[in-house]
Amino acid sequence: DGGITQSPKYLFRKEGQNVTLSCEQNLNHDAMYWYRQDPGQGLRLIYYSQIVNDFQKGDIAEGYSVSREKKESFPLTVTSAQKNPTAFYLCASSIWDRGEAFFGQGTRLTVV
Amino acid sequence: QKEVEQDPGPLSVPEGAIVSLNCTYSNSAFQYFMWYRQYSRKGPELLMYTYSSGNKEDGRFTAQVDKSSKYISLFIRDSQPSDSATYLCAMSDGNNRLAFGKGNQVVVIP
Repeated sequence: DGGITQSPKYLFRKEGQNVTLSCEQNLNHDAMYWYRQDPGQGLRLIYYSQIVNDFQKGDIAEGYSVSREKKESFPLTVTSAQKNPTAFYLCASSIWDRGEAFFGQGTRLTVV
Repeated sequence: QKEVEQDPGPLSVPEGAIVSLNCTYSNSAFQYFMWYRQYSRKGPELLMYTYSSGNKEDGRFTAQVDKSSKYISLFIRDSQPSDSATYLCAMSDGNNRLAFGKGNQVVVIP
């Protein structure tokens, strides 16, 4: 089955810790994205990547970092600099110039 | 002015009714238009994708695009309780930046 796999589904972080969210796709898509979803705020773009070894900041990149070493993988690290990290994080991918994005099932991150 | 405006609702309808959802946009460069369905605590699922003005049907779902008015719609015929979800509109100019509406929560009452 082709698709996007995010793991873990639920993640708990202590104050001051960095955590990494995994996103893997087997759709052979060039572009990958990370979004954050908060109640009443819709989807906000954190980072996106068009090709391997290249990525761009989105609207709310502060406190986050990414890497794109393989076409299939686009992990997101939530650093201790992110002051309000509790949210639902969504990874997506698309064919570069079609805009038709497919999403993973999300990771719910909670700070404890 | 936001790029994409979507009235967040919520919208409650009786089972069997037609659900009508709308988004307006300001960027005339948008050429790809999508509707997503998102169940609670799940990722958005691509429901409809179109790139031209006019109507596109898929079963009980119809997506309508009016580029001259910068307006898109989603219609759900014969609505079912399983259609209860949040519906997000999205659009792209083909340069990989997607713009999303805030989502419309729909409740279909049996």
